[in-house]
Amino acid sequence: AQSVSQHNHHVILSEAASLELGCNYSYGGTVNLFWYVQYPGQHLQLLLKYFSGDPLVKGIKGFEAEFIKSKFSFNLRKPSVQWSDTAEYFCAGRSAGNNRKLIWGLGTSLAVNP
Amino acid sequence: DAGVTQSPTHLIKTRGQHVTLRCSPISGHKSVSWYQQVLGQGPQFIFQYYEKEERGRGNFPDRFSARQFPNYSSELNVNALLLGDSALYLCASSLDWSLAVWGEQFFGPGTRLTVL
Repeated sequence: AQSVSQHNHHVILSEAASLELGCNYSYGGTVNLFWYVQYPGQHLQLLLKYFSGDPLVKGIKGFEAEFIKSKFSFNLRKPSVQWSDTAEYFCAGRSAGNNRKLIWGLGTSLAVNP
Repeated sequence: DAGVTQSPTHLIKTRGQHVTLRCSPISGHKSVSWYQQVLGQGPQFIFQYYEKEERGRGNFPDRFSARQFPNYSSELNVNALLLGDSALYLCASSLDWSLAVWGEQFFGPGTRLTVL
């Protein structure tokens, strides 16, 4: 079965620390991958996405993710986090053969201490 | 500009009852998707509608149904509520179904349903 797994459920960092949140997917073939973020009290919003081309994808607010096909991974990174990055982060993906159904990870709760 | 709106924000029902949740997409958006998010988990896809037709369905029982109206707003209906239906129900809209596929969808604040 298709699945998306996120390695860390809760992450606590200090400001200026580097961030890497793990995401692995189980599909084979062509995949489309996404990272969404939900800030406290706000709606889910798209951070970045990968469909094809350059495996290093840049998103909003200084986030980036790298698609590594051999490792079935799509990890989210930010070199220096800020207190305002405190949020819930979700990785999601779909196989190219299933156009409408996004499979979501369980989410990672990030707390950044000032 | 108004974003995706959902009503009600909170709802408490008892087992066996029926519930209707409503969603108004962003003006001009023709596609609406519904998700269920149980506490501590990621969203689970329920339905996608485009131009009043169902374009996708997740692994949910027939107790779950939805429809889209000519103004592109949508309703999600759940019959014979179970305790396990307690969740945050999210609506997301996009300009068309292909953009929803591309991840260009905008989420509403959700309806928190509690089944007692």
